[in-house]
Amino acid sequence: GDSVTQMEGPVTLSEEAFLTINCTYTATGYPSLFWYVQYPGEGLQLLLKATKADDKGSNKGFEATYRKETTSFHLEKGSVQVSDSAVYFCALSDPTGANNLFFGTGTRLTVIP
Amino acid sequence: DVKVTQSSRYLVKRTGEKVFLECVQDMDHENMFWYRQDPGLGLRLIYFSYDVKMKEKGDIPEGYSVSREKKERFSLILESASTNQTSMYLCASSPGQPLEQYFGPGTRLTVT
Repeated sequence: GDSVTQMEGPVTLSEEAFLTINCTYTATGYPSLFWYVQYPGEGLQLLLKATKADDKGSNKGFEATYRKETTSFHLEKGSVQVSDSAVYFCALSDPTGANNLFFGTGTRLTVIP
Repeated sequence: DVKVTQSSRYLVKRTGEKVFLECVQDMDHENMFWYRQDPGLGLRLIYFSYDVKMKEKGDIPEGYSVSREKKERFSLILESASTNQTSMYLCASSPGQPLEQYFGPGTRLTVT
């Protein structure tokens, strides 16, 4: 079945450090891939997405590239800020399946000044 | 902007009570979803609906039911609340597959 595995946290970084959060997936068909972010006390917000292989999603300095050969969608940011502290979720939507998303367990990021 | 609202941010109920969680979206989306979020488990799908009066079970439907009488509103019902239903409940909507889902702010439910 469809599933997403993302690196466990928590992750603590200093401001301006480089961020990578790993995400790999298992899916039938050709899924769309998403990164969501959840700030403290809020719901999830879409951060970026990619709908086909080799697509790169980007937003707010974050990037992720859809790699079909490695079934991965790793999230990266070159220089994190304190305001990036949040929980990040990787998710996939399989177009051959139901209209729901499969989520990873989330990675908590804390950025310290 | 898409807006998904949930009736309460925080709710405290007693064991055995019937609990209603309401969710409303304002973008005419066909699909609506209810998840629960627990530490270390991520988001788990309880129920979803792809049309008025239609519903489908998700991964963990036991102890829950849903109602969708109007396109914009999707209700989650706990028929007899139990302490293991203490959780954060998130509602979402989407215009269709494979587009992204839009989430409400969540309801933190405590059952004592």
